[in-house]
Amino acid sequence: EAQVTQNPRYLITVTGKKLTVTCSQNMNHEYMSWYRQDPGLGLRQIYYSMNVEVTDKGDVPEGYKVSRKEKRNFPLILESPSPNQTSLYFCASSLGAGANVLTFGAGSRLTVL
Amino acid sequence: KQEVTQIPAALSVPEGENLVLNCSFTDSAIYNLQWFRQDPGKGLTSLLLIQSSQREQTSGRLNASLDKSSGRSTLYIAASQPGDSATYLCAVRISSGSARQLTFGSGTQLTVLP
Repeated sequence: EAQVTQNPRYLITVTGKKLTVTCSQNMNHEYMSWYRQDPGLGLRQIYYSMNVEVTDKGDVPEGYKVSRKEKRNFPLILESPSPNQTSLYFCASSLGAGANVLTFGAGSRLTVL
Repeated sequence: KQEVTQIPAALSVPEGENLVLNCSFTDSAIYNLQWFRQDPGKGLTSLLLIQSSQREQTSGRLNASLDKSSGRSTLYIAASQPGDSATYLCAVRISSGSARQLTFGSGTQLTVLP
């Protein structure tokens, strides 16, 4: 089944403890992206990647890192999480960056205490 | 900066009604517009994608229209069913500069009452 898989789906952590949220797609998509969703603010883009080894900042990149060493994987790294990073995170991918439909993962709910 | 607004934030209708969800955007220079559905605790499912050169797209009971000049899109749902209950989001992709970023509205939470 064609899908975007995120792990973990739920995580509670403490301030400053590094964590990684993994994202993997099995559709050979070139474009991948991370969003966070917060009440009243909608979805905001954190980082995106046009292809392997090509990443760029979205609207809210502060406090996050990403890497794209393989086409299928696009992990989101929080080096030193803070409570304001408590959010629902979504990974998405598409065949290309422009005209193509985005496929979303199921989401990862992160709580930083 | 592109801003996307969806009004109302919540809508409740009886089963069987036809309804329209609204999406407005501030910058008409868009590349495309996409409507999504989000169910509680789940990710987003793409419903319809309208390219900037198109006026509408249809899929089953759903019809999405696009009027770039007025900065508006509508999602029409015919003969609504309780299974249509979800949050509906629209997102626009800009055409200038980066064609890679989507700007999302905050969504309309739809409840269809049996």
